[in-house]
Amino acid sequence: GQNIDQPTEMTATEGAIVQINCTYQTSGFNGLFWYQQHAGEAPTFLSYNVLDGLEEKGRFSSFLSRSKGYSYLLLKELQMKDSASYLCAVRGGGSYIPTFGRGTSLIVHP
Amino acid sequence: GAVVSQHPSRVICKSGTSVKIECRSLDFQATTMFWYRQFPKQSLMLMATSNEGSKATYEQGVEKDKFLINHASLTLSTLTVTSAHPEDSSFYICSARGEGMEDNSPLHFGNGTRLTVT
Repeated sequence: GQNIDQPTEMTATEGAIVQINCTYQTSGFNGLFWYQQHAGEAPTFLSYNVLDGLEEKGRFSSFLSRSKGYSYLLLKELQMKDSASYLCAVRGGGSYIPTFGRGTSLIVHP
Repeated sequence: GAVVSQHPSRVICKSGTSVKIECRSLDFQATTMFWYRQFPKQSLMLMATSNEGSKATYEQGVEKDKFLINHASLTLSTLTVTSAHPEDSSFYICSARGEGMEDNSPLHFGNGTRLTVT
């Protein structure tokens, strides 16, 4: 299986930048997803990385280093509505089904 | 596109009763559907994978006789929690994957069902 580790909780200020890290261990790595999940709702897709490097999508960017088993999600110009849980999900081990990390609860304050 | 609808969004039932949760793909044919369970502040845990017209594949530790999954059509899968107990109280989420979807396609999730067993 996959071991996925991400911080439990982070806080940041509105308008600031925050980086949420995710480290993983898996055989046969085949992609990493980031999802956003508001309390009581289903996760929504944010980004996908399978090759090393940075993928930018508006205020959100995601980075991957396969050799280090490491990814981060970067959120810029934070807004209050960005307060949510951010889930790192890794696909590997020959399965196309990703395994989810515990999620990082981000609290954005004024 | 790729909308998944889940119903009901919330359900409260008494211990010992059964509850059925529906998951529908609205604008695509879902060849595979996945059922997840999420406890508070925990990760999404995959319970089972179902392919249309065949028996579901359950993850280790998930009781197949307790969590009955039916995927009778390309747009509908159901999860029935039988003889529910308070420890089954959780957030259940389905997701679906359509035929021909590329590897980098994300999972499309339903809105989840909050089950409370009293």
